[in-house]
Amino acid sequence: GAVVSQHPSWVICKSGTSVKIECRSLDFQATTMFWYRQFPKQSLMLMATSNEGSKATYEQGVEKDKFLINHASLTLSTLTVTSAHPEDSSFYICSASHLRGGNQPQHFGDGTRLSIL
Amino acid sequence: GQNIDQPTEMTATEGAIVQINCTYQTSGFNGLFWYQQHAGEAPTFLSYNVLDGLEEKGRFSSFLSRSKGYSYLLLKELQMKDSASYLCAVRDSNYQLIWGAGTKLIIKP
Repeated sequence: GAVVSQHPSWVICKSGTSVKIECRSLDFQATTMFWYRQFPKQSLMLMATSNEGSKATYEQGVEKDKFLINHASLTLSTLTVTSAHPEDSSFYICSASHLRGGNQPQHFGDGTRLSIL
Repeated sequence: GQNIDQPTEMTATEGAIVQINCTYQTSGFNGLFWYQQHAGEAPTFLSYNVLDGLEEKGRFSSFLSRSKGYSYLLLKELQMKDSASYLCAVRDSNYQLIWGAGTKLIIKP
């Protein structure tokens, strides 16, 4: 089945540090990749949608200058949390789908737990 | 606005059957997905419905009625490992996935 690899799985760093999270589709070409954030006991919150070779579409309230998304190839998207602060601590999850529509589900990476001290 | 409703929490007994309902109001419809999410883990895909009717996959089945804006996930022969959150998501006319808040399912022995 479709496999999405997300790395790193856990990050602990000091306030002000920038953190890069990678999301790779291992056995399929991901036309679209999605980045979510989830706080404890809350539902998934879509942050942005990225299509290969074009700029990401950010959801309302998500700062595009703080959460930099790059989708340079059909198998790799990265999310960089710039100058992270404690309030950015969360569970970040990427997902990828093969086609923009149809019956293709989103396949999720294992998530990255980010803790900013 | 777009809205997905599902119960916040349900409790069931090991070996029993449970039905988790989902109602939706979205701008267009291009399919409904069910995902399972264990605590601290990412969601995993369970099922997809785009036409009315029942889709069966082992112990799990999912039903869709587009005219009623309604779906349910049916879990049979419940096992302790089925304790998780179950997320209903609808793909709208822009192919954007609209997520429900999830139903936390607690299985008791």
